[in-house]
Amino acid sequence: DQQVKQNSPSLSVQEGRISILNCDYTNSMFDYFLWYKKYPAEGPTFLISISSIKDKNEDGRFTVFLNKSAKHLSLHIVPSQPGDSAVYFCAALNFGNEKLTFGTGTRLTIIP
Amino acid sequence: SQTIHQWPATLVQPVGSPLSLECTVEGTSNPNLYWYRQAAGRGLQLLFYSVGIGQISSEVPQNLSASRPQDRQFILSSKKLLLSDSGFYLCAWTRDRGLEAFFGQGTRLTVV
Repeated sequence: DQQVKQNSPSLSVQEGRISILNCDYTNSMFDYFLWYKKYPAEGPTFLISISSIKDKNEDGRFTVFLNKSAKHLSLHIVPSQPGDSAVYFCAALNFGNEKLTFGTGTRLTIIP
Repeated sequence: SQTIHQWPATLVQPVGSPLSLECTVEGTSNPNLYWYRQAAGRGLQLLFYSVGIGQISSEVPQNLSASRPQDRQFILSSKKLLLSDSGFYLCAWTRDRGLEAFFGQGTRLTVV
């Protein structure tokens, strides 16, 4: 039962343009949503998060949007840079059991 | 500062052999500990998580087990490996109710 899904396994974007990564979830009890970035053969690193009571959080080039009614969140990266090429995972956190559940990942490739 | 150690980095094991992957955390006490596996099309799948010594929650039925013999030590084991156990295994610890997660460098396991 995949509670957090990223339906696009890969995405290619021209350098300088906007990258939009999407994530859907099924459990309405999640308290926080997070985005992680992962390079090959390394552990994921944290990018940005958003509380379930907010609808937007911005940090530099990264903005996360949350639509609770649609159980959907997205990560916007603008402008996209070659160093952004990586696999991006969204994750959902339940404070009750402190369990961090990850999505299936999207491989982002930035084309110079 | 807190650090997480995971070893070995790569491992090639024959089918039917036992497995033991070790993860230790330094610089913190009573962390929540997690084992994830990254497999193609499945993203980061949560295998086990532990909120304290001897407390292990298993997320998916499988050929693996986990133990937490000490506060900052988390071990992933198998008595007999299957080909399907191949993958990239990640250990993680969290703080602040899971809002901050830190990952090890991962172990690439190939079962032959």
